[in-house]
Amino acid sequence: DAGVTQSPTHLIKTRGQQVTLRCSPKSGHDTVSWYQQALGQGPQFIFQYYEEEERQRGNFPDRFSGHQFPNYSSELNVNALLLGDSALYLCASSLVERVTYEQYFGPGTRLTVT
Amino acid sequence: DAKTTQPPSMDCAEGRAANLPCNHSTISGNEYVYWYRQIHSQGPQYIIHGLKNNETNEMASLIITEDRKSSTLILPHATLRDTAVYYCIVRAVDTRTYKYIFGTGTRLKVLA
Repeated sequence: DAGVTQSPTHLIKTRGQQVTLRCSPKSGHDTVSWYQQALGQGPQFIFQYYEEEERQRGNFPDRFSGHQFPNYSSELNVNALLLGDSALYLCASSLVERVTYEQYFGPGTRLTVT
Repeated sequence: DAKTTQPPSMDCAEGRAANLPCNHSTISGNEYVYWYRQIHSQGPQYIIHGLKNNETNEMASLIITEDRKSSTLILPHATLRDTAVYYCIVRAVDTRTYKYIFGTGTRLKVLA
């Protein structure tokens, strides 16, 4: 059973640049959520995608955008990177039909902005 | 803000039961309790969830008090590999609230 996968594992970018992170959901799942986790903190919800549309968004600026593809995979894009965007970015997938909606997380992408 | 309160850290001897408490005194009737753990620098791992009945799976047991204002995650025979940060989360399942709100969790250290 394929779990959630994310790429790349690590990434170093310079302030002002743009970055794209990728996520493939767990086999059979149709919903993808993205979280940002700063060092020493719990994950913070960025947004969730279902049926190729963003259906809920956390308190993040428009510099953070996403996309979901017909095969349910997803991308997270961050423009105009700031030093404060350095974090572990986590993707989580779930199945909308499951009422309890538990989410399964990938290993994350560690982004460092210099 | 997170709707749960957890102790920041706990120690447990290897082979003993680890009992991790969580307070969610403002929980609503349509909110489930979820537990996740995060081993250093990895993604959070789903452990268990429940509404009002006690639940058990191959990883752990979840005990929810009758008034649902608190719960306890039990790892019956803790091993060194159970050392992690454990998060207790409450979330409504019949509203358009899809996100998890994480707190700071409990850092469990299993001692040899």
